[in-house]
Amino acid sequence: GENVEQHPSTLSVQEGDSAVIKCTYSDSASNYFPWYKQELGKGPQLIIDIRSNVGEKKDQRIAVTLNKTAKHFSLHITETQPEDSAVYFCAASGTGRRALTFGSGTRLQVQP
Amino acid sequence: KAGVTQTPRYLIKTRGQQVTLSCSPISGHRSVSWYQQTPGQGLQFLFEYFSETQRNKGNFPGRFSGRQFSNSRSEMNVSTLELGDSALYLCASSLDPPRGDSPLHFGNGTRLTVT
Repeated sequence: GENVEQHPSTLSVQEGDSAVIKCTYSDSASNYFPWYKQELGKGPQLIIDIRSNVGEKKDQRIAVTLNKTAKHFSLHITETQPEDSAVYFCAASGTGRRALTFGSGTRLQVQP
Repeated sequence: KAGVTQTPRYLIKTRGQQVTLSCSPISGHRSVSWYQQTPGQGLQFLFEYFSETQRNKGNFPGRFSGRQFSNSRSEMNVSTLELGDSALYLCASSLDPPRGDSPLHFGNGTRLTVT
């Protein structure tokens, strides 16, 4: 089955700096890669997703890049703010295989 | 539009008991998935329902079961509870039939504690 590895497990940055979280996946058939943000006491919230026919996608301060050859995708957050502090999860799934396989999560702390 | 609603938010049960958790999807969403979240294992897929039929199932024992009703609401049941079943149980809904790339929208979960 699919295996998703996520790094780093914790990340501390100063407000205004950029943060990068990286994930690798094992199944070359995977073609959908969402990112979720989970705040304390809440469920994961979808923040951005990318499909395998696209190499990069941006939404304001958030961007995701995908390298299908290397089976690697990354989340980039620019101009970080204290409210970006949360746990971030990457995930992967493929057509016909509905379930998302999640990474282990990255706890991002933005220091004011 | 209201999000995914899960009830109850918290549950405390003892070993050997059974428990039923409820999920109301976003209005118009017909697919419902369940995930278990623990500190040790992370987020793991339990099962997915569409049109009252289980379409996909994860690697959990038969003590874990679920169902979906005609209004798309879903329930999951865990029988003969074990300490290791303590977890946050998350329900997610999506608009489309199961196909792998439809965005999932999660509820805030039910926190189950087994003592």
